[in-house]
Amino acid sequence: QKEVEQNSGPLSVPEGAIASLNCTYSDRVSQSFFWYRQYSGKSPELIMSIYSNGDKEDGRFTAQLNKASQYVSLLIRDSQPSDSATYLCAVKGIDSNYQLIWGAGTKLIIKP
Amino acid sequence: EAQVTQNPRYLITVTGKKLTVTCSQNMNHEYMSWYRQDPGLGLRQIYYSMNVEVTDKGDVPEGYKVSRKEKRNFPLILESPSPNQTSLYFCASKQGMYQETQYFGPGTRLLVL
Repeated sequence: QKEVEQNSGPLSVPEGAIASLNCTYSDRVSQSFFWYRQYSGKSPELIMSIYSNGDKEDGRFTAQLNKASQYVSLLIRDSQPSDSATYLCAVKGIDSNYQLIWGAGTKLIIKP
Repeated sequence: EAQVTQNPRYLITVTGKKLTVTCSQNMNHEYMSWYRQDPGLGLRQIYYSMNVEVTDKGDVPEGYKVSRKEKRNFPLILESPSPNQTSLYFCASKQGMYQETQYFGPGTRLLVL
């Protein structure tokens, strides 16, 4: 069974520091990788997608993908209290009928 | 405003009493889906629909039904709810099956007693 694993946290990071969130996946043929942010009581929203090995930067967010090691990470620079949320990792493979497989999420707390 | 709406947002019901959760999108999206979210398990897909009158099972379809008679609506039906269906439910839509960005509704929190 294809799986996506995340540390549930909570991960506590001081304001202004770098928050590092990690995700591993089991399906070697996975092609697309996504990070969603979910505030408490709200719906998930897409913040980053990455498709090839390496880094992808968008403002304070950087997604990193290493297909050989089957992990994807999300770095948040200059963390703000508004970044406090649960971050969900989702993976799409070519043989999963294009459906996403979701991790359970990591709860991030940014302490002022 | 482009959005996905769900109703009701909160629902408390009893075992066996049929219920329907509505989902509607105003973006003319072809693809719609239902997820449930439980602590420690992440999002799990219940059913999805690639277009009108085209639906298929997701990972956890047991105990649920759906229909897609109109492009904008995708109701989730629980014919005989049980306590293990207590969960947070999200409807989502996207332009097409191969599109990456999907838009989530605000969620429906269901408690089955």
